[in-house]
Amino acid sequence: GAVVSQHPSRVICKSGTSVKIECRSLDFQATTMFWYRQFPKQSLMLMATSNEGSKATYEQGVEKDKFLINHASLTLSTLTVTSAHPEDSSFYICSARDLGVNYNEQFFGPGTRLTVL
Amino acid sequence: GQNIDQPTEMTATEGAIVQINCTYQTSGFNGLFWYQQHAGEAPTFLSYNVLDGLEEKGRFSSFLSRSKGYSYLLLKELQMKDSASYLCAAMDSNYQLIWGAGTKLIIKP
Repeated sequence: GAVVSQHPSRVICKSGTSVKIECRSLDFQATTMFWYRQFPKQSLMLMATSNEGSKATYEQGVEKDKFLINHASLTLSTLTVTSAHPEDSSFYICSARDLGVNYNEQFFGPGTRLTVL
Repeated sequence: GQNIDQPTEMTATEGAIVQINCTYQTSGFNGLFWYQQHAGEAPTFLSYNVLDGLEEKGRFSSFLSRSKGYSYLLLKELQMKDSASYLCAAMDSNYQLIWGAGTKLIIKP
């Protein structure tokens, strides 16, 4: 299957700093990537849909100025958590849709564990 | 509104069979996905159904009834490594996945 990578896999930062997370589709092109957040023992919560070459679409309740998304190419989307606070500590997961696959499956990256001190 | 329902937790015995049910209500429908997620890891794809019926893949099978808005994931010959959360997700008319809260499956020896 298609491979999606995320970097970094784990990050610990001080409150007030910004953190950038990269999501890459390694062997396919993805016009659409999705960013999820998952708190312990909860399901995935879609934060935003990232479209190559255009602005991201944010879900209700997600601050677009705090969670900056850039989808500069067909294989790379980045999520920047600006001025991170302890409540932003979570598991962030990206997924990408492979245009070449008929049934619109989303392939997930391995996730990034963010801890804000 | 759009909604996915699945049980919060289930317990089964090693070697046995377990069925995890999922009901969905979405605006339009473009398929039903099942994902497995181990603690601390990202979800991994298990199955996709868009037509009514049963899809079998090794020890795992998935069933869909579009008229009833119902799906189940069937796991046979349970192994300890099958202990995980199983996420049901329906794709709506905008090709967006609507996620269930997940079913935590506990396997006992």
